[in-house]
Amino acid sequence: DAGVIQSPRHEVTEMGQEVTLRCKPISGHDYLFWYRQTMMRGLELLIYFNNNVPIDDSGMPEDRFSAKMPNASFSTLKIQPSEPRDSAVYFCASSLTGNNQPQHFGDGTRLSIL
Amino acid sequence: GQQVMQIPQYQHVQEGEDFTTYCNSSTTLSNIQWYKQRPGGHPVFLIQLVKSGEVKKQKRLTFQFGEAKKNSSLHITATQTTDVGTYFCAGFSDWGKLQFGAGTQVVVTP
Repeated sequence: DAGVIQSPRHEVTEMGQEVTLRCKPISGHDYLFWYRQTMMRGLELLIYFNNNVPIDDSGMPEDRFSAKMPNASFSTLKIQPSEPRDSAVYFCASSLTGNNQPQHFGDGTRLSIL
Repeated sequence: GQQVMQIPQYQHVQEGEDFTTYCNSSTTLSNIQWYKQRPGGHPVFLIQLVKSGEVKKQKRLTFQFGEAKKNSSLHITATQTTDVGTYFCAGFSDWGKLQFGAGTQVVVTP
């Protein structure tokens, strides 16, 4: 079975540019999570969706960050404009019904903003 | 708000030795999960504990949930080089948001 699929795996771009990260959750999973991981702050939950609806976006750092889930098989996390401090590994995860289920993580997108 | 703390932050272990990593929450948890992240990899679910005082084993790994459901531990016996990675606990409070600890980074010396 295919796991959570993220793209791109690596992204290097200059500050000020728009960055779009993509995620395809496991089929049948109705929860989707976006995390950011850095050495300084560890693993941070940015936002999560249930049945394509954003439930909690309190972890989104600021207005430069936005996330959408137009359908059950696709989500995007967008940063516009990007800044060097946004450099991190961004993980997408999905889980079955109920947010006390195990989360299945994608391989992540390693983002570097120059 | 709920906070999940893990100690130690780093653990250097000689191959063959045992060690324990601890997870503590500021609030009572409905359940707790443990994940392992290999260097350069992504977190992978290991186990979930739900009941007060619950103990579960996976080969050389023993997981325990405290009686008050505010702490948990992971004990690894006879550490192997394959145990290298960062171990995260993640706790659910009754209001449902999963909070990850900062993780324990394990380095194994042959």
